Amino acid sequence: AQTVTQSQPEMSVQEAETVTLSCTYDTSESNYYLFWYKQPPSRQMILVIRQEAYKQQNATENRFSVNFQKAAKSFSLKISDSQLGDTAMYFCAFMKMEGAQKLVFGQGTRLTINP
Amino acid sequence: NAGVMQNPRHLVRRRGQEARLRCSPVKGHSHVYWYRQLPEEGLKFMVYLQKENIIDESGMPKERFSAEFPKEGPSILRIQQVVRGDSAAYFCASSPGLLGEKLFFGSGTQLSVL
Repeated sequence: AQTVTQSQPEMSVQEAETVTLSCTYDTSESNYYLFWYKQPPSRQMILVIRQEAYKQQNATENRFSVNFQKAAKSFSLKISDSQLGDTAMYFCAFMKMEGAQKLVFGQGTRLTINP
Repeated sequence: NAGVMQNPRHLVRRRGQEARLRCSPVKGHSHVYWYRQLPEEGLKFMVYLQKENIIDESGMPKERFSAEFPKEGPSILRIQQVVRGDSAAYFCASSPGLLGEKLFFGSGTQLSVL
């Protein structure tokens, strides 16, 4: 079975700073996807970024980028030039590329961006 | 192009009552997933359905919980004889096919059991 671990329950930074959220996972699968989801107080689950395990290049979406270390089974999220609207819960998630397409989520990191 | 619609957004039930949660997937999507989120936790997979079929219910509690996705109409997650421990946010997600990475989430139903 796959597990996803987020070791930082809470983080807080000043607006415009850079912040990195940690995520490690455990799997015996070779092919899989990794995701970061944002959950603001509205409760909506918003996909931030996605990484395919077979791709060595780290995914980037505007201010959001990942550091994917497959051998170490690590998948951290970097948010550059943080904004007040980035305040939310952030969840790391894993999905096998074959079989039932279900997500395994970490426990989440509550990120607060201070003005 | 509406996204995944869940209703009600909030549902209050007394212990022993039934809760029915509805999910209308994105138009054209035939794959539906239900997840449960307990307070201060990540989402946990419950069940995966295609039209008229349950594909994977490995995350569903063995008793009191059932799900369906009929040929016509929304997917329904049904919880019979609710208990306080059922209080949680229940999320539905849909996808167009086996490319499950393209999941679209609804805003969830917050179930509170008094």
